Amino acid sequence: GAVVSQHPSWVICKSGTSVKIECRSLDFQATTMFWYRQFPKQSLMLMATSNEGSKATYEQGVEKDKFLINHASLTLSTLTVTSAHPEDSSFYICSARDYGGRDYEQYFGPGTRLTVT
Amino acid sequence: GENVEQHPSTLSVQEGDSAVIKCTYSDSASNYFPWYKQELGKGPQLIIDIRSNVGEKKDQRIAVTLNKTAKHFSLHITETQPEDSAVYFCAAMGTSYDKVIFGPGTSLSVIP
Repeated sequence: GAVVSQHPSWVICKSGTSVKIECRSLDFQATTMFWYRQFPKQSLMLMATSNEGSKATYEQGVEKDKFLINHASLTLSTLTVTSAHPEDSSFYICSARDYGGRDYEQYFGPGTRLTVT
Repeated sequence: GENVEQHPSTLSVQEGDSAVIKCTYSDSASNYFPWYKQELGKGPQLIIDIRSNVGEKKDQRIAVTLNKTAKHFSLHITETQPEDSAVYFCAAMGTSYDKVIFGPGTSLSVIP
């Protein structure tokens, strides 16, 4: 089956620093990847949609200069949280659409727990 | 844009009983409705989905029904087991296959 991995699974960083999260599709090519944020006991909120080779499309209210997304290849998208602050602490989840499969199905990664101290 | 509502927010059932979670959506153009199960500290996993040209779909103990006219869809879990305990999210996707919009989630507890 289609597998999406994320690295790291958890990260702790100090306020003001930047942290990069990787999302990889392991056994399929993903022209489109999505980044979600989930606060405790809440639903997943879509942050941005990234297409390979082009700029990401951010949802309303999401700061594109703070959450940098790069989708440089068909199997890798990265999310960089710049100048992180404690309020950025959250569970970040990516998903990917299988270019060769059912075009409406998304496969989710295991998530990355970010804690900013 | 699309808005998905989900009820109940919490659900507790005895092992072996059935559980039903209901969702409504706002965008009549949405045509794909997946359901996800999320365990603590993990990403969501697709458990069943339904497209708008189908009214009902079943996979072992799990079934989903869709009423496009009323814009609501439901998840039915029969013969619940303790390992069914998790948070369940319904979602909707529009015709452009761009975004999956999630409902707020239902925390299901199956009591042994």
